[in-house]
Amino acid sequence: EPEVTQTPSHQVTQMGQEVILRCVPISNHLYFYWYRQILGQKVEFLVSFYNNEISEKSEIFDDQFSVERPDGSNFTLKIRSTKLEDSAMYFCASSVLGQGAVEQYFGPGTRLTVT
Amino acid sequence: RKEVEQDPGPFNVPEGATVAFNCTYSNSASQSFFWYRQDCRKEPKLLMSVYSSGNEDGRFTAQLNRASQYISLLIRDSKLSDSATYLCVVNGHSGGGADGLTFGKGTHLIIQP
Repeated sequence: EPEVTQTPSHQVTQMGQEVILRCVPISNHLYFYWYRQILGQKVEFLVSFYNNEISEKSEIFDDQFSVERPDGSNFTLKIRSTKLEDSAMYFCASSVLGQGAVEQYFGPGTRLTVT
Repeated sequence: RKEVEQDPGPFNVPEGATVAFNCTYSNSASQSFFWYRQDCRKEPKLLMSVYSSGNEDGRFTAQLNRASQYISLLIRDSKLSDSATYLCVVNGHSGGGADGLTFGKGTHLIIQP
């Protein structure tokens, strides 16, 4: 069964550093997403991406964040100048193109720890 | 503000029992509805989509009441492996692929042998 993959599984970084989280969406999916989950809290939407541009973003997704699809398979989330409060699980998801109940499938996540 | 509200639990239920969860959502323009399950420190996994007419998948039955903005999940003949956090999730205003999902905080279910 095809699945979303993410690397690394755990990233530790110092405050102020830049990190890049990587995702490989399911191969025939065309919409890609990033979510985050701070420990003990709910999953929160960050951004959706389609046709090489951002489709929608939340208020969390400020200028500190950027996304890119650098090649035909990878989808990345860059966090510039990380803050302590960026520590969270970051989940990538993907879905097929379509209307109606568009089901999103999640990767295993990257645990980001900012020290 | 788009919100999804759920009883956090925990629900402690003996194996074989039937258990039901509910959630309410605030955005009346929401178009798509889902239940996901999340195991500790794992990713959300899609359990089932929820359709207006109600739908069933094995031991799981989901219902949607658009007028009351209320979604339910029923689990019959519960198994130890059903222990998890159940997330009520709604999609946005257009129902299309671009919409981010809005998650509830989840209901924690513990099935006891």
